[in-house]
Amino acid sequence: AQSVSQHNHHVILSEAASLELGCNYSYGGTVNLFWYVQYPGQHLQLLLKYFSGDPLVKGIKGFEAEFIKSKFSFNLRKPSVQWSDTAEYFCAVNHNNAGNMLTFGGGTRLMVKP
Amino acid sequence: SQTIHQWPATLVQPVGSPLSLECTVEGTSNPNLYWYRQAAGRGLQLLFYSVGIGQISSEVPQNLSASRPQDRQFILSSKKLLLSDSGFYLCAWSPRDRGIQPQHFGDGTRLSIL
Repeated sequence: AQSVSQHNHHVILSEAASLELGCNYSYGGTVNLFWYVQYPGQHLQLLLKYFSGDPLVKGIKGFEAEFIKSKFSFNLRKPSVQWSDTAEYFCAVNHNNAGNMLTFGGGTRLMVKP
Repeated sequence: SQTIHQWPATLVQPVGSPLSLECTVEGTSNPNLYWYRQAAGRGLQLLFYSVGIGQISSEVPQNLSASRPQDRQFILSSKKLLLSDSGFYLCAWSPRDRGIQPQHFGDGTRLSIL
């Protein structure tokens, strides 16, 4: 079965620190990859997505992610975090079948200290 | 623009009582619809998805059921709630027949079983 792993469950950083959140998936076929963010008290929002093409994907709010097929990874990065980046981040992988289904990782809670 | 509504936002129910959570989507037609449960540290677990009226697929065996009586309405139900049904339930939609698309999430319903 397809699975998605986010190994960092909780991350605490100071403002201006660099961020990298890991995401690994188990599916060997064609994948479509997503990062979602959930700010406190808000609904899940799409941060960025990868379907094909350039494996380095730019998203909103200065986030980017790199698809490394050989490592089955899609890590999320930001060079300099802000207090407002405090949120929970979810990696998701698409099953390319009917229903456009997603398999989500367990999430990473990021706290940025001012 | 498209919007998704879930209600109620919070619900407290006794064990053994029935459940009905409602989700509606506006501004689009023929969407794919999804119900997820979000548990701390475990990400989002897909419970049900639907590609059309009356078409429901279940991803995990459980005490819950789903129905889609209208094109843009998705209902999560139970005849008798268990303590283990407590959690945060999210509805989502994605466009159908347009290839792989991100899913868009509602604000969620926090369900507490006493």
